[in-house]
Amino acid sequence: DGGITQSPKYLFRKEGQNVTLSCEQNLNHDAMYWYRQDPGQGLRLIYYSQIVNDFQKGDIAEGYSVSREKKESFPLTVTSAQKNPTAFYLCASSLGQGGRIHNEQFFGPGTRLTVL
Amino acid sequence: AQKITQTQPGMFVQEKEAVTLDCTYDTSDPSYGLFWYKQPSSGEMIFLIYQGSYDQQNATEGRYSLNFQKARKSANLVISASQLGDSAMYFCAMREGRGSNFGNEKLTFGTGTRLTIIP
Repeated sequence: DGGITQSPKYLFRKEGQNVTLSCEQNLNHDAMYWYRQDPGQGLRLIYYSQIVNDFQKGDIAEGYSVSREKKESFPLTVTSAQKNPTAFYLCASSLGQGGRIHNEQFFGPGTRLTVL
Repeated sequence: AQKITQTQPGMFVQEKEAVTLDCTYDTSDPSYGLFWYKQPSSGEMIFLIYQGSYDQQNATEGRYSLNFQKARKSANLVISASQLGDSAMYFCAMREGRGSNFGNEKLTFGTGTRLTIIP
């Protein structure tokens, strides 16, 4: 079955620690995205990547870092510089260039990060 | 200014009734796309329906249809014959610029509407 996996489902972190959230897709999609969701708010874009070895900042990139060394993988690191990291994090992918005209994004099940 | 506005934080609807979820948007780009996603309590986002700014007809997908009024900049989601499984958060999102082009894949989301279907 093709899809997007995120791990872990729940993550607890102490203040001052970096933590890395995993996102893997086997849909052969070129583009991948990371969003953050807070209660009562919509999704906000953290980082996105259109192709391997390239990525761009989204609207709220401060305190986060990413890498895109493989097409299938787009891990997100939440650094100690992120002031309020407790949130629900969603990874998504889309066909990207050459895809269907509406090119919907497919989402993973999410990771809930709590800072203790 | 908000790019996507969903003014209904919550709605309660009787089972089998139709429901309309409101979405207005703001863009100066003549080329854009509008998406609706459903988020059940599990958290995963499920794509429902898409409307392109140049599409001549309103989009439909099964029980979902999109009431697209370009001049009013609104793209309301209509769910016909609601079911208990429709209870979820619903998000409207917009992509500015043409799809499938490098760098034009970003989505801007509204704050969502929590729909509860009453048996």
